[in-house]
Amino acid sequence: AQRVTQPEKLLSVFKGAPVELKCNYSYSGSPELFWYVQYSRQRLQLLLRHISRESIKGFTADLNKGETSFHLKKPFAQEEDSAMYYCALSEGRGSTLGRLYFGRGTQLTVWP
Amino acid sequence: GAGVSQSPSNKVTEKGKDVELRCDPISGHTALYWYRQSLGQGLEFLIYFQGNSAPDKSGLPSDRFSAERTGGSVSTLTIQRTQQEDSAVYLCASSLLWGVVDYGYTFGSGTRLTVV
Repeated sequence: AQRVTQPEKLLSVFKGAPVELKCNYSYSGSPELFWYVQYSRQRLQLLLRHISRESIKGFTADLNKGETSFHLKKPFAQEEDSAMYYCALSEGRGSTLGRLYFGRGTQLTVWP
Repeated sequence: GAGVSQSPSNKVTEKGKDVELRCDPISGHTALYWYRQSLGQGLEFLIYFQGNSAPDKSGLPSDRFSAERTGGSVSTLTIQRTQQEDSAVYLCASSLLWGVVDYGYTFGSGTRLTVV
């Protein structure tokens, strides 16, 4: 069963506009959520983690357990934000499994 | 090493041939993962090695796929009798076993496999 769903394959916004990349998950326990990003011709890399409640490159993501969502947001998109974004889920600290479940990704394009 | 190293970076092979893809994880990372990345499919889990435990092979798409990890370090993913649908980017990642939540994965740059 698909644990992580990213409903948008493609998302386009203009520079300076707000952007929200959606992520919904399906898991009955207490998951940990992540966002990974892959810029053109670069490796897939960790963008931010739910557990650290951090803001990276202006992006934030809030875990909403009621809606089982972990949407990624940025108030003012920049051209350099154009990339493929993946939402990922871990079954949490108590799990002996290190596996991450990834969504299918959203390709973000920020137009000048 | 400083990062996760994968080789070759590109591989073109004829349908029906066998291929071997190599991954050298970060030194000290006890967990190693193989994923396949293809257009429209996102990141598809293949196999996961955790220390000395039996690997989680639940993601391997067919018995043509196999992987091993020697000495708890380098891993080789083997695809036998390749088919065109095997064409994809094969990604390897490693992590500290108990560090996934805190640190996530470190990915390699991948091997782009093209089956012609």
